[in-house]
Amino acid sequence: QVQLQESGPGLVKPSQTLSLTCTVSGGSISSGDYYWSWIRQPPGKGLEWIGYIYYSGSTYYNPSLKSRVTISVDTSKNQFSLKLSSVTAADTAVYYCARVMVAGTIAFDIWGQGTMVTVSS
Amino acid sequence: QSVLTQPPSVSAAPGQKVTISCSGSSSNIGNNYVSWYQQLPGTAPKLLIYDNNKRPSGIPDRFSGSKSGTSATLGITGLQTGDEADYYCGTWDSSLSVLVFGGGTKLTVL
Repeated sequence: QVQLQESGPGLVKPSQTLSLTCTVSGGSISSGDYYWSWIRQPPGKGLEWIGYIYYSGSTYYNPSLKSRVTISVDTSKNQFSLKLSSVTAADTAVYYCARVMVAGTIAFDIWGQGTMVTVSS
Repeated sequence: QSVLTQPPSVSAAPGQKVTISCSGSSSNIGNNYVSWYQQLPGTAPKLLIYDNNKRPSGIPDRFSGSKSGTSATLGITGLQTGDEADYYCGTWDSSLSVLVFGGGTKLTVL
């Protein structure tokens, strides 16, 4: 079955760029049947959608984060990545990657386990 | 403040039924499909319901979803202690052009 696994630094300094990678196993990111997304959850708070990407490279971002976010895909490695620039303490969160099923609406049917990223000097 | 409003907490006894509401507007729930997620303590969310009332493979029929106007409801019957979790609704908001989630509801099985 398809599994997703996030990886990247757990600590990022303020004003720097947060970089995470999601590795997809058990299926091809290029199948074309799904989109691939990032979602985050600050400690003790709710979920916030960051954006998604298609295997072709087309993207859509949360307007509130759009100026700082870049999501990219590497089909040869079956991975997609997140870059969030100019981070502050408000960006401290558990970051999840997820597969997006495009049915009547966008729904996240498979999630990674999540990775905690702390923004601190 | 979330665009979608959920009660912070609900509770019920084992074996009973509980419903969790998700209230929005015409720009989100009123004109888009709703999904529901279960987040057990310390774990990633899990998709329970999509397209208002469809269950992914492997989700028991104790979980159900419905929508009426600008509100959606998640129902859970035959409550088990293992159902204690946070539950989130989610949908697209056509005015904000963003995928939005409710603030989450903590379910306690007494």
